[in-house]
Amino acid sequence: GAVVSQHPSWVICKSGTSVKIECRSLDFQATTMFWYRQFPKQSLMLMATSNEGSKATYEQGVEKDKFLINHASLTLSTLTVTSAHPEDSSFYICSARSPDTQYFGPGTRLTVL
Amino acid sequence: QKEVEQNSGPLSVPEGAIASLNCTYSDRVSQSFFWYRQYSGKSPELIMSIYSNGDKEDGRFTAQLNKASQYVSLLIRDSQPSDSATYLCAVSYSNSGYALNFGKGTSLLVTP
Repeated sequence: GAVVSQHPSWVICKSGTSVKIECRSLDFQATTMFWYRQFPKQSLMLMATSNEGSKATYEQGVEKDKFLINHASLTLSTLTVTSAHPEDSSFYICSARSPDTQYFGPGTRLTVL
Repeated sequence: QKEVEQNSGPLSVPEGAIASLNCTYSDRVSQSFFWYRQYSGKSPELIMSIYSNGDKEDGRFTAQLNKASQYVSLLIRDSQPSDSATYLCAVSYSNSGYALNFGKGTSLLVTP
């Protein structure tokens, strides 16, 4: 149990384009999902907390207009990186809370050329 | 600022030995504590969670929590080369929706 999927697993895009990443909890409902970012040789940094049916809460320094988060159902949250630039290249990982433990998706590696 | 500190390592232990990983945290209102293992290029996988003072054992893994000293540790008995990975200590806080605050991780190398 407690499986979280992410799609796509990797994506390469041109600078200025937008990329959508999906995070799904496959066998449980998650009222709260989290989005993390990990740069090479660094730890995971929380970007935002996504609650079903409400606006996401962003961490300090994370641009909410650049990283759009939608949590439309209890099993799906999406992160859209708008107007991506090379400095947005990173490993994006989502997690879903059930009920006081977080289960992580496999991650999405984004490369912006 | 809430800090989670770990020695980055690398920690090298021979196969069959006990690996001891340590973590300290700065916030006394921390609620829950977790150890994750992360292989290179992969997302973290949960090894142990611990919520109250004392020891918690699961197979070859034992987590120890001391809230008075703000210290949590992970012991890996009978270490195997497949245990070689980065081990992340994470702390969650109820007043932040249980989001995780991660340490930078300790790199463990188990040598045959």
